[in-house]
Amino acid sequence: GDSVTQMEGPVTLSEEAFLTINCTYTATGYPSLFWYVQYPGEGLQLLLKATKADDKGSNKGFEATYRKETTSFHLEKGSVQVSDSAVYFCALVDNYGQNFVFGPGTRLSVLP
Amino acid sequence: EPEVTQTPSHQVTQMGQEVILRCVPISNHLYFYWYRQILGQKVEFLVSFYNNEISEKSEIFDDQFSVERPDGSNFTLKIRSTKLEDSAMYFCASGHSYEQYFGPGTRLTVT
Repeated sequence: GDSVTQMEGPVTLSEEAFLTINCTYTATGYPSLFWYVQYPGEGLQLLLKATKADDKGSNKGFEATYRKETTSFHLEKGSVQVSDSAVYFCALVDNYGQNFVFGPGTRLSVLP
Repeated sequence: EPEVTQTPSHQVTQMGQEVILRCVPISNHLYFYWYRQILGQKVEFLVSFYNNEISEKSEIFDDQFSVERPDGSNFTLKIRSTKLEDSAMYFCASGHSYEQYFGPGTRLTVT
């Protein structure tokens, strides 16, 4: 079945550092790809998405590019802030838009 | 901006009791979902619901679980006889194809 793999956390960075969280997926067909963020004690918020190969999703300084050749959707941010501390989930949904599959999540801690 | 709401935010129940978790999806959405997240673990799909019936469910969604859309606005998840391992955060989501909006979750604690 479909699956999503993310880099193991926790990731600890200093403020203004560059962030990369790797995400790779296995899926049949042409899934849509997503990054969700979960701040402490809160629910899941959609951060960005890409629905086809070579699409770049971006939001709040975060970016991710749908790379079909490497089946990847790595999350990047040029300069992280303390307020970015959260758990980040990579996810995909299949062709039919039904079953979301989430990665295990990567906890990011940004220190001042 | 419309959002998915869930009640209660936290539910504590004794093992063996029935619980009903409630969700109000965004009003023009057609697809509805339940997910759960055991503390510190990943988000797991439970069930999807479309056109007043279950369209897909995972192996977690066994006979103890049921979903209902009783009145055209609420979407409920019932757990008939809770077990300790049902303790988790339960997220409702609604959406159109390819996009889902999540509620804030209900934390269920089974003692």
